[in-house]
Amino acid sequence: AQSVTQLDSQVPVFEEAPVELRCNYSSSVSVYLFWYVQYPNQGLQLLLKYLSGSTLVKGINGFEAEFNKSQTSFHLRKPSVHISDTAEYFCAVSDPGGYNKLIFGAGTRLAVHP
Amino acid sequence: DAGVIQSPRHEVTEMGQEVTLRCKPISGHDYLFWYRQTMMRGLELLIYFNNNVPIDDSGMPEDRFSAKMPNASFSTLKIQPSEPRDSAVYFCASSLAHSGYGYTFGSGTRLTVV
Repeated sequence: AQSVTQLDSQVPVFEEAPVELRCNYSSSVSVYLFWYVQYPNQGLQLLLKYLSGSTLVKGINGFEAEFNKSQTSFHLRKPSVHISDTAEYFCAVSDPGGYNKLIFGAGTRLAVHP
Repeated sequence: DAGVIQSPRHEVTEMGQEVTLRCKPISGHDYLFWYRQTMMRGLELLIYFNNNVPIDDSGMPEDRFSAKMPNASFSTLKIQPSEPRDSAVYFCASSLAHSGYGYTFGSGTRLTVV
């Protein structure tokens, strides 16, 4: 069965510092990978996704993620964070069993401090 | 498009009462998902539909929960009778058939059962 592990439940960081949010998945077949962001009191919003091709994917708000097939990872990075990036971030993987189902990780809370 | 629309945004009800949550997916999307989010359990998939037909309801916690999708533009999630442990944020999401598309989430309904 598919699974997604977000290795850090919380990541504190100072403003303008770089950040990496880690995500590992388990799958024996090719999958699609996603990162979503949830700001306080809002729904989840798609940040970026990997379907195929270049392993470095750029998303909104200056975020990017790198797909590493050998390590089954899809880590999210930003070179310089802002206070407004404080949110919950979810990694997700498509379920190859079909029916367009996504498997979500438990989430990582990014707290950006001044 | 206005996105996925959920109503109400907030609902406070007494234990034992019936609660109905509503969702209008994005026009043309043929998948609809209902999620529940709590601090303790994170994001849980309750049920999802494809072309208005329920595909998997294994996430529905118990018989008090039911969901319908009478047409392509409307879905409801009903809890009867409600209990305090049902207090959570309930999200609806919709998607196109291709599993690489990703989901579009609504803003959620915050349910409080007292």
